[in-house]
Amino acid sequence: EAGVVQSPRYKIIEKKQPVAFWCNPISGHNTLYWYLQNLGQGPELLIRYENEEAVDDSQLPKDRFSAERLKGVDSTLKIQPAELGDSAVYLCASSWGQVDSPLHFGNGTRLTVT
Amino acid sequence: RKEVEQDPGPFNVPEGATVAFNCTYSNSASQSFFWYRQDCRKEPKLLMSVYSSGNEDGRFTAQLNRASQYISLLIRDSKLSDSATYLCVVNIDDYKLSFGAGTTVTVRA
Repeated sequence: EAGVVQSPRYKIIEKKQPVAFWCNPISGHNTLYWYLQNLGQGPELLIRYENEEAVDDSQLPKDRFSAERLKGVDSTLKIQPAELGDSAVYLCASSWGQVDSPLHFGNGTRLTVT
Repeated sequence: RKEVEQDPGPFNVPEGATVAFNCTYSNSASQSFFWYRQDCRKEPKLLMSVYSSGNEDGRFTAQLNRASQYISLLIRDSKLSDSATYLCVVNIDDYKLSFGAGTTVTVRA
């Protein structure tokens, strides 16, 4: 099966600029996650979708971050405006949704804010 | 207390050695446990799920100790290709998974 696809692979922007990341999950996976990973840390959940509904966005900084998953398939994560501290790897993952279902990750977007 | 804690290491071991490390979790009601492997500048990939009775996959053995709230990973006959960061993952509630910060293992020739 095709894996989780993310784009772009790398992004360099100046602070205060907007940026968007795109994710296409594994076909049939109804649950989609966006994680943020800083160097030397484990991934931290930003938002989780069940189909098109955001069921956990408690860790999403809503003043500058937004996400959508129209039609319950692809998803976009946006940051506007970006800050220096947003430099990190943004990982998308998908799963079947049960708590014992493993996550399948995309290869991530490495964001550098200058 | 963090939800999931790991010894960051690094564990530097020679080829052929056995290395083991633990991960502690805070929620006694947790039911799902995983080990993921993450290579440098790559995405995490599932290594193995951890079952109550313990389980083995080739050279890798995972154990769960509910009484002390930790899981362990043991790697036998280490290979150079085992060098990676190993992430412990535990469910915090019905749907949320929490990741540890990872344990770095370096296998030297």
